[in-house]
Amino acid sequence: DAKTTQPPSMDCAEGRAANLPCNHSTISGNEYVYWYRQIHSQGPQYIIHGLKNNETNEMASLIITEDRKSSTLILPHATLRDTAVYYCIVRYLFGGAQKLVFGQGTRLTINP
Amino acid sequence: ETGVTQTPRHLVMGMTNKKSLKCEQHLGHNAMYWYKQSAKKPLELMFVYNFKEQTENNSVPSRFSPECPNSSHLFLHLHTLQPEDSALYLCASSQALGDGNTIYFGEGSWLTVV
Repeated sequence: DAKTTQPPSMDCAEGRAANLPCNHSTISGNEYVYWYRQIHSQGPQYIIHGLKNNETNEMASLIITEDRKSSTLILPHATLRDTAVYYCIVRYLFGGAQKLVFGQGTRLTINP
Repeated sequence: ETGVTQTPRHLVMGMTNKKSLKCEQHLGHNAMYWYKQSAKKPLELMFVYNFKEQTENNSVPSRFSPECPNSSHLFLHLHTLQPEDSALYLCASSQALGDGNTIYFGEGSWLTVV
């Protein structure tokens, strides 16, 4: 399994961009990087994923370094509702099905 | 609404009870998963089903018994649980094959064992 390393907590001011880093130095060439978030008492919510190229959707942007050993999730204009635990995960295939192995994640707090 | 529905959302059961958690996905996926999330711990993968066949049992005690009658439904049968089994149980689904497909989670079932 490729392991990921994230800071345990971060703070960001409302309206600012939140940049969440993730290290995945043992990632293999065919493994995707996924980001999920979990708001208290709810199931994890999919945010974005990528392989090599930077990706953007309506929720966030994902920047992956050229060597693929790290990535950054960017929430461009953070709101109070973005307060959650954010998980950076490397996906791999096992037995024909995908597996996500969650770490501790980063607890992001958006401050008014 | 993620297309993965779990029932019940909350369950309290005694240690001698038998109960079941149910999961249904409306996404046309072929793989389904059970995860467990205990307080202040990361999500732990319990079971994986691919095309109704169990492909992984992550050293889960036999008091947890999964059942996957078809690709849209997944059950977790619970029997003689312990208080330390109290946790949030999450169901998820995905396409089994293909790069870049996403795993979608349900809202979870909060289980309290008394």
